[in-house]
Amino acid sequence: EAEVAQSPRYKITEKSQAVAFWCDPISGHATLYWYRQILGQGPELLVQFQDESVVDDSQLPKDRFSAERLKGVDSTLKIQPAELGDSAMYLCASSTRLLQETQYFGPGTRLLVL
Amino acid sequence: LAKTTQPISMDSYEGQEVNITCSHNNIATNDYITWYQQFPSQGPRFIIQGYKTKVTNEVASLFIPADRKSSTLSLPRVSLSDTAVYYCLVVASGTYKYIFGTGTRLKVLA
Repeated sequence: EAEVAQSPRYKITEKSQAVAFWCDPISGHATLYWYRQILGQGPELLVQFQDESVVDDSQLPKDRFSAERLKGVDSTLKIQPAELGDSAMYLCASSTRLLQETQYFGPGTRLLVL
Repeated sequence: LAKTTQPISMDSYEGQEVNITCSHNNIATNDYITWYQQFPSQGPRFIIQGYKTKVTNEVASLFIPADRKSSTLSLPRVSLSDTAVYYCLVVASGTYKYIFGTGTRLKVLA
């Protein structure tokens, strides 16, 4: 069964450093999502792509976060500089099309900022 | 936007049927309701999706009343491996907003 791949699985960094997360969606999935999940809470959508275009990034803290999906396939989420409050699980998901309710999630990247 | 509300936690025993209700008072006409399951340190996994009345698949049933202001996920004969957090998701059509609920932490006891 095809899966969403994410790396790294775990990342420890110091505040003010830059971090980057990578996501490879299921082949053929046009829509890609990045979520942030703070421990004990539900996932919060940060940014959504349709192919290489951003559909919604209204919840992305643009002063420090950036996301790209240059060729409409894999994607990178970057944080620069990292802050203590960024410690969370960062989840990537993909679906065949916009508003496709069945999203397939990757295993996530657990970020700890010291 | 349709905000969802779920019980924070539930306990059940193996073999019992578990019903988890999600409230979504402001659901729009074209919105779908979807439920996800999440184990610790893993991404959420799709369980079931519905629009109205009843939907059943091999692992769960979803009941949605006529007013669609709530929905109930039913897990038949739970086992210890069903211990997880269950999320209710309403997709706000036209706004591309995906809103996860607070999640219900289900603990299945032996």
